[in-house]
Amino acid sequence: DSGVTQTPKHLITATGQRVTLRCSPRSGDLSVYWYQQSLDQGLQFLIQYYNGEERAKGNILERFSAQQFPDLHSELNLSSLELGDSALYFCASSASGTSGTNEQFFGPGTRLTVL
Amino acid sequence: QKEVEQDPGPLSVPEGAIVSLNCTYSNSAFQYFMWYRQYSRKGPELLMYTYSSGNKEDGRFTAQVDKSSKYISLFIRDSQPSDSATYLCAMSKSGGSNYKLTFGKGTLLTVNP
Repeated sequence: DSGVTQTPKHLITATGQRVTLRCSPRSGDLSVYWYQQSLDQGLQFLIQYYNGEERAKGNILERFSAQQFPDLHSELNLSSLELGDSALYFCASSASGTSGTNEQFFGPGTRLTVL
Repeated sequence: QKEVEQDPGPLSVPEGAIVSLNCTYSNSAFQYFMWYRQYSRKGPELLMYTYSSGNKEDGRFTAQVDKSSKYISLFIRDSQPSDSATYLCAMSKSGGSNYKLTFGKGTLLTVNP
């Protein structure tokens, strides 16, 4: 158990809908990262938050957004869902994310299926 | 050219064998190198973490980084059936907003009893 929690485990929804994925980092970790894992693309970085502020963006679609709250949990919002958005979504956390070590610990993931 | 290349396998070995997994990369700015193990439909589990070049050993696992060749390796000694999983290499740059991980596609390993 990495100490990172994600809910829900599974989500099944229809095209055009909007969903919210939730992540709680390990106790004391300030950085949260979101990654998408698909069969063809592998694990891809989406976005990083550090202590409530957006720190880095990857190949995140405009239909996707995220935020990190004062208690450091994070939410990833996916809207206008398409079939191609079906994937595993992982959250990872690290102690810093701006300097020093960069050990990232992953949660169990949310499996999103868009029908 | 992808930033990180990893042979997807699959790799099948008998129990007790020494396993060698490798990745090559093209971006010389990478400073942190990691190996993750991922069981089917589970989250990646951090196995080894190294900074810059050199070797690191942890139990049956040894990670090697050769920055001059842009090549990293993970060795598993006395492999066990429980080691059967996908192994992902990952790396990142240093400092500021550069901590995102860039992953290889993963190598699927099966250790046969």
